[in-house]
Amino acid sequence: EVQLVQSGAEVKKPGESLKISCKGSGYSFTTYWIGWVRQMPGKGLEWMGIIYPGDSDTRYSPSFQGQVTISADKSISTAYLQWTSLKASDSAKYYCVRPLRSGYSYGHDAFHIWGQGTMVTVSS
Amino acid sequence: QSVLTQPPSVSGAPGQRVTISCTGSSSNIGAGYDVHWYQQLPGTAPKLLIYGNSNRPSGVPDRFSGSKSGTSASLAITGLQAEDEADYYCQSYDSSLSGPVFGTGTKVTVL
Repeated sequence: EVQLVQSGAEVKKPGESLKISCKGSGYSFTTYWIGWVRQMPGKGLEWMGIIYPGDSDTRYSPSFQGQVTISADKSISTAYLQWTSLKASDSAKYYCVRPLRSGYSYGHDAFHIWGQGTMVTVSS
Repeated sequence: QSVLTQPPSVSGAPGQRVTISCTGSSSNIGAGYDVHWYQQLPGTAPKLLIYGNSNRPSGVPDRFSGSKSGTSASLAITGLQAEDEADYYCQSYDSSLSGPVFGTGTKVTVL
């Protein structure tokens, strides 16, 4: 079964750092882009960025460039989303996503596989 | 702020047909990029409903259909059922942003 399994919920204070993970299984991890999507409480979906684990090619939404870092460790089929200094406005649910097909240019294909989401709460 | 605009809500009685519009521009839908649709049931991750404008992944009922014309796309749900009550999002690629963009989302209520 193809799936993405994300790390558990996090509660952090403003200014703290955080790295959440997304482990892929059931498919060739290095041949599909993996993206991250933010959903703030009661709000819609926002694309944050995407990485190709095969060569670590990474692209960011202009809204998130410089705010987060996306990385991947292909040896353990895991992608990461990282913050160095969290803000209260980073409180949201974060989903990792995999496109339907390999070989498509990033961002053009539908996101077929979704992780279960990681809830991040930032509060003093 | 999303570049794809959807109506905040639509509603219909069981068995009826409802449509959800997704309005874009010349840098996304109007440029010929594919439109995809997702269903998000309360408290769950989104699920792919339609890809490539009008294709259904395996397991998605044929009550759901998609179409695209010009700078807009639509999702139709026929034979509306109580289990269809959810949030629906469109998605396309935007050349100005150099990445995928989601619609503002539409809440479907079954009366």
